[in-house]
Amino acid sequence: AQSVSQHNHHVILSEAASLELGCNYSYGGTVNLFWYVQYPGQHLQLLLKYFSGDPLVKGIKGFEAEFIKSKFSFNLRKPSVQWSDTAEYFCAVISGGGADGLTFGKGTHLIIQP
Amino acid sequence: GAGVSQSPSNKVTEKGKDVELRCDPISGHTALYWYRQSLGQGLEFLIYFQGNSAPDKSGLPSDRFSAERTGGSVSTLTIQRTQQEDSAVYLCASSAAGPTTFFGPGTRLTVL
Repeated sequence: AQSVSQHNHHVILSEAASLELGCNYSYGGTVNLFWYVQYPGQHLQLLLKYFSGDPLVKGIKGFEAEFIKSKFSFNLRKPSVQWSDTAEYFCAVISGGGADGLTFGKGTHLIIQP
Repeated sequence: GAGVSQSPSNKVTEKGKDVELRCDPISGHTALYWYRQSLGQGLEFLIYFQGNSAPDKSGLPSDRFSAERTGGSVSTLTIQRTQQEDSAVYLCASSAAGPTTFFGPGTRLTVL
């Protein structure tokens, strides 16, 4: 069975600070990796995804993530955060044909102080 | 509609009652998923439908949970004899040919 670990459960940053949220997964085969974001009172939205190719992927709102196969990691980064980035961030993995659904990490609650 | 829709948005029920949650996937999406989001357990996968194929029910938490999908589109998740531990947000998601999954707004279930 696959698992996803997010290292930081709560992160508090000031506006304009740089952000890196850690994500590691356990599955050794071919995986598809995702970051989802859940803004307060809203539903889960796709931030970015990695299937294959360039390991550095760019998503919406200035976010990017780097897939490092040797480390089983898919860390999320943003050079300069904004107050509107306050949200819950989830790393997720899916393998094979998708019949087992997405496996999510526990989430990171990010608070940006103005 | 443009996205996955779910109804009701909120459901409060008494312990022991049955509830039915509905999901309308994005038009044309063949894959449909149900997840549960709760404080203690995070986001848990429950069940997956691909078109009209019979689903794998092994992810459902107990035999009080069942799900069906009619005509390869709308799905209902039914919880019989609800318990307080069933309180959670139930999320529906759908995807087309690939693994990119789009989520609905969820149904917040409260069992008193």
